[in-house]
Order: sequence, then structure tokens, then C-alpha cells
Amino acid sequence: GESVGLHLPTLSVQEGDNSIINCAYSNSASDYFIWYKQESGKGPQFIIDIRSNMDKRQGQRVTVLLNKTVKHLSLQIAATQPGDSAVYFCAEPRPGSYQLTFGKGTKLSVIP
Amino acid sequence: NAGVTQTPKFRVLKTGQSMTLLCAQDMNHEYMYWYRQDPGMGLRLIHYSVGEGTTAKGEVPDGYNVSRLKKQNFLLGLESAAPSQTSVYFCASSLLLGTGKEQFFGPGTRLTVL
Repeated sequence: GESVGLHLPTLSVQEGDNSIINCAYSNSASDYFIWYKQESGKGPQFIIDIRSNMDKRQGQRVTVLLNKTVKHLSLQIAATQPGDSAVYFCAEPRPGSYQLTFGKGTKLSVIP
Repeated sequence: NAGVTQTPKFRVLKTGQSMTLLCAQDMNHEYMYWYRQDPGMGLRLIHYSVGEGTTAKGEVPDGYNVSRLKKQNFLLGLESAAPSQTSVYFCASSLLLGTGKEQFFGPGTRLTVL
């Protein structure tokens, strides 16, 4: 079935280093992906999105890469800061539906 | 703007009790959603609404009911709570339907059913 999953449930990085969070998807027809950030005790917050006609999209300190060949996307955070500590989710719309399918999340911990 | 607010923040129920979770948004959004979040399961859609007076089932609707009597409010009801409904509940709203970019989430309600 269709699924959006994450390779690593936890990730610890040193402050100032770059972080890479990965996500795999199974539906080759998926054409839109979203990354959310969820801080402890808060609701998810939109970070960045990408459409399938793009391989890369950059935001402020974040970059999303999409590899349609292997059905994989990643979120890169440059110069990771303590405020980046959170759980990160990838999500995609369900085929034929507006509903979103969320991945299970990766917890990013930044070591000062 | 307060964005999306949820009440209560925490609640403990006994099996069989009922309760209503309230979601309010002040962004004049047409669409509203209720999700539950469980460890290792990510977010799953319970019910949603595409406008005042309309509701529809999401991925996991059983055991829940919803109402959207006013555009700014979306209520989630548990008629007879079960331990399996222990979860964190998030409400969200959006101006557009069909993408995740525009969904704004509330802070969540942590519900424990004993």
C-alpha cells in the first residue's frame, strides 16, 4: 500500500553541523510533498514543500531534495541550531484525495 | 490573531465517559480538520469539514462525532470513551483544500482514557 516513512526515528547532531532527515514514499504517482516541524508540546508547523517537477527546493537554511527514481526525499538543515530540535514529518496527499498521509516522524536533537 | 486554539489542553476520562473537544480559528478558514497523533503512527485524520454545516469522515472516524455549527468552530465528540482513544488530538484549519501547505495546527489536546 501507499506509505510515507522515515528511515531513522532519531537523529542527534552537533550545533552548527548540517542535518539530513530522510523520507521514503511508495506511490510513484505522488506529485507533492510537504515537510512539517513539530516542537515539543506544539502542533506541526509547515516548513517547506516540493512538487514532483522539481528535484530541489531551498528555503531559509532548509533544502528539500526529491529523488523520484528511488522515491526518496530528504530535508537538509544547514548550521543546525538548538531551536531546530523537534520532530520532523514528511507528508503527501493521498491519491485521489485531498487528505494527507504523514510519516511517523524523526526526532532531531541538537547537541550544544 | 490567535490562529487555531483548542480547549481543553489536557483531560483524563474514565472508560464510557463522554466529552467534547473544541477547536476555534480566527483566520476565516473554510476547511477544518481533526487529527489524532499516536506514538509511531504519525498524524491520522479523524473527520474534516469543508464548510459550516458540513462534515465528513477521515481515515479513523469510528468512535468520534463532529459538528461545525459555526464557521470558526469545529467540535470533536467522544460519546463513550475507550482506552484506545488515548491520544493527542490536533485541530487544523486551512483556506485551501488539497495541499498541506496551508494547514495551520492548534497546540493539541492530550487525552487519557483510563
